[in-house]
Amino acid sequence: GQNIDQPTEMTATEGAIVQINCTYQTSGFNGLFWYQQHAGEAPTFLSYNVLDGLEEKGRFSSFLSRSKGYSYLLLKELQMKDSASYLCAVMDSNYQLIWGAGTKLIIKP
Amino acid sequence: IAGITQAPTSQILAAGRRMTLRCTQDMRHNAMYWYRQDLGLGLRLIHYSNTAGTTGKGEVPDGYSVSRANTDDFPLTLASAVPSQTSVYFCASSDSASGVGTDTQYFGPGTRLTVL
Repeated sequence: GQNIDQPTEMTATEGAIVQINCTYQTSGFNGLFWYQQHAGEAPTFLSYNVLDGLEEKGRFSSFLSRSKGYSYLLLKELQMKDSASYLCAVMDSNYQLIWGAGTKLIIKP
Repeated sequence: IAGITQAPTSQILAAGRRMTLRCTQDMRHNAMYWYRQDLGLGLRLIHYSNTAGTTGKGEVPDGYSVSRANTDDFPLTLASAVPSQTSVYFCASSDSASGVGTDTQYFGPGTRLTVL
């Protein structure tokens, strides 16, 4: 079966750095996405990785290791507005997205 | 530019009733998708459409039907609603059809549906 695992909840302090991990087992691999979802709102795109390595975009970076079936999202200089759920999704061999349940990130002052 | 709109925003429905959730995009995207999101679970694909005139089944299609008469609209119909269909429903679109590329999916604001 196909499976995406990520922690259910994490807590971090404003101004700090947090790393959200995602491991996956899917039928094929055509890229990994990270989305941000604030409570009661739609998911919004953050990043896409298809090759191994680190992609940096402002305060957010995303890393991929295809051989390990592993990715992480790194958030730096945390702000209160970063409190949200972070969804990891893998595009499988049929070009359909398989979604993790999401990690709820709580930022404390 | 509105992007993707969904209607209604929320709905309470009696079991056994028929309901159509509407989704419209103005980005001229080829592919459109319907997902449901339940607490503790990832988004699950209900149906998708790679291009106007074609549709396909996702992970959880039972009890739902879709149509894609044109590029912009992708309605989702519950023929006879049941309480297990209580969920938040998201419509999404992307510029590439499955098998062609891996373009980003953009989501509508969602419809919160409660079936009693």
